[in-house]
Amino acid sequence: SQTIHQWPATLVQPVGSPLSLECTVEGTSNPNLYWYRQAAGRGLQLLFYSVGIGQISSEVPQNLSASRPQDRQFILSSKKLLLSDSGFYLCAWSGYDSYEQYFGPGTRLTVT
Amino acid sequence: QKEVEQDPGPLSVPEGAIVSLNCTYSNSAFQYFMWYRQYSRKGPELLMYTYSSGNKEDGRFTAQVDKSSKYISLFIRDSQPSDSATYLCAMKGSGTYKYIFGTGTRLKVLA
Repeated sequence: SQTIHQWPATLVQPVGSPLSLECTVEGTSNPNLYWYRQAAGRGLQLLFYSVGIGQISSEVPQNLSASRPQDRQFILSSKKLLLSDSGFYLCAWSGYDSYEQYFGPGTRLTVT
Repeated sequence: QKEVEQDPGPLSVPEGAIVSLNCTYSNSAFQYFMWYRQYSRKGPELLMYTYSSGNKEDGRFTAQVDKSSKYISLFIRDSQPSDSATYLCAMKGSGTYKYIFGTGTRLKVLA
């Protein structure tokens, strides 16, 4: 069966510090991968998605970036965090030949 | 107008009640529909997924899609306190990789 991992689970970072969140998927090949942010009391905001290694589509221009160095690995990064980057970051995957989307456990980021 | 509208609630019901959760949408190109359950501080869990119109049942859960009205529903029978969570609807068109989510309905089932 497929499993999606995210780490760390929680993170507290000062403003201006760098960020690296990692997501890996097990049990499937060539998944579509997604990064979302969920602010308190608000819906899911799509940040990036990737349909293959090195292929990244950005949905929201901001100080975040994403990379997909391996088929089942998706990384969210920032060089300098802003207070507004605080939120719940969710990684998700869908099969290349299916439409259901599955989410990871999330990373709660607090920028202080 | 948002592409997907969902009443934020909270919706409070007594244990054992039938719960009806709904979303409306404006894009007639949507063909794939999903319902997620999200507990506080957890990732969303996929509950039901359907393609095009019709009903799909899984245990106490029934998903219903009415494409002519651009309206989808999730019914929960014999609701339990453990069903207390936020329920998100999501949808997608064919030929696109992007999913559009509702903002979620918070459900409270009272023991």
